[in-house]
Amino acid sequence: DIQMTQSPSSLSASVGDRVTITCQASQDIRFRAHWYQHKPGKAPKLLIYDASALESGVPSRFSGSGSGTDFTFTISSLRPDDIATYFCQQSDSLPLTFGGGTKVEIK
Amino acid sequence: QITLKESGPTLLKPTQTLTLTCTFSGFSLKTHGVGVGWIRQPPGKAPEWLSLIYWDDTKRYSPSLKTRATITKDTSKNQVVLTMANMDPVDTATYYCAYSQSPLDYVLQIWGQGTLVTVSS
Repeated sequence: DIQMTQSPSSLSASVGDRVTITCQASQDIRFRAHWYQHKPGKAPKLLIYDASALESGVPSRFSGSGSGTDFTFTISSLRPDDIATYFCQQSDSLPLTFGGGTKVEIK
Repeated sequence: QITLKESGPTLLKPTQTLTLTCTFSGFSLKTHGVGVGWIRQPPGKAPEWLSLIYWDDTKRYSPSLKTRATITKDTSKNQVVLTMANMDPVDTATYYCAYSQSPLDYVLQIWGQGTLVTVSS
């Protein structure tokens, strides 16, 4: 199975800050990394697919980059509504696997 | 608008069989390239992919489930059913179903809100 190592597990930032989360795959997954936002009690939401493609309707302050084994997810300017847990997922091979998640809080 | 909703028991005893139903709208599982998957997330842990079923009845399972799980679809009811035998307390988790469509194969594009299943004697 491909392991997805996500860091940090939590972070606290101020409104307007740039927030960066990383995911490292245990083997080359090409560009097949995706990022989701999960708010408590709600359905997880796809934000970024194929490493850097913005899902339709997702604000442009969210972005992703990377390929191979190293991937980065960025919120360019943190807003209060961005408080959530974010997690990565690989789809290069089965079984699909996820990162451990990053809980983002407002400082 | 695509929506999915999970339903099933909230409490099970060890060794019982779990049957979860995902009822969806806004798409058809008869459409080429469409799939519905199941994912679970134990409290405080990472999500874990369980299974996927496609429009052509192709089925995929996580090896971690071994032979415990079965996924089926009922296109007339717009439902996907996941059964898991021999449930254990470690199977306590929130269970989600999610929609996927090619060319974004294995990308979980739209999720349900999830249903919490507790396994306890």
